[in-house]
Amino acid sequence: DAGVIQSPRHEVTEMGQEVTLRCKPISGHDYLFWYRQTMMRGLELLIYFNNNVPIDDSGMPEDRFSAKMPNASFSTLKIQPSEPRDSAVYFCASSFGAAETQYFGPGTRLLVL
Amino acid sequence: DQQVKQNSPSLSVQEGRISILNCDYTNSMFDYFLWYKKYPAEGPTFLISISSIKDKNEDGRFTVFLNKSAKHLSLHIVPSQPGDSAVYFCAAPEGAGGTSYGKLTFGQGTILTVHP
Repeated sequence: DAGVIQSPRHEVTEMGQEVTLRCKPISGHDYLFWYRQTMMRGLELLIYFNNNVPIDDSGMPEDRFSAKMPNASFSTLKIQPSEPRDSAVYFCASSFGAAETQYFGPGTRLLVL
Repeated sequence: DQQVKQNSPSLSVQEGRISILNCDYTNSMFDYFLWYKKYPAEGPTFLISISSIKDKNEDGRFTVFLNKSAKHLSLHIVPSQPGDSAVYFCAAPEGAGGTSYGKLTFGQGTILTVHP
């Protein structure tokens, strides 16, 4: 298996622009997680899905952030409008069941100027 | 509120010696703990875990110890190798009564550098 796939790997955009991050989980996994890593806050969970349904979005920082999972093999995290403080590495992870072993993608490094 | 804490931002060790990475937690409901390793430009990868019914779990050069009364766990790497140089995160899933809801809380991470 190719593992969790994220795209793009790097994104540079200007403040106010819309940013869409994409994730393909490992086939067969029914949980999908979006994390953000920053120097100040470390690795924090933004939202997670079970069987394509959002379960907990309490970590989403504000309404500018939204996430969708239209099917079992694809999820997006959208930031609109983006701000410089959104600059971070965004990770997607998936797992089988509510198992604790989550498999992470390589991350998307976002820079908002 | 930081429920999982790694108070040492970095650790430097000589090759062949023991590396000890520490983690403290505040939530007494945590009953399962994991360690992840992260190389630059990669996502974290699962390393080893421990259930609260145990106080030790060993996998090759890696051993995790759990002290429930002190709410403390540690990861021992013996012997340390230069390839072990990475960021190490401890994590715990939220849940009660042994049930995990899949929501992991991570510590801030410790940067381990193993010198040849």
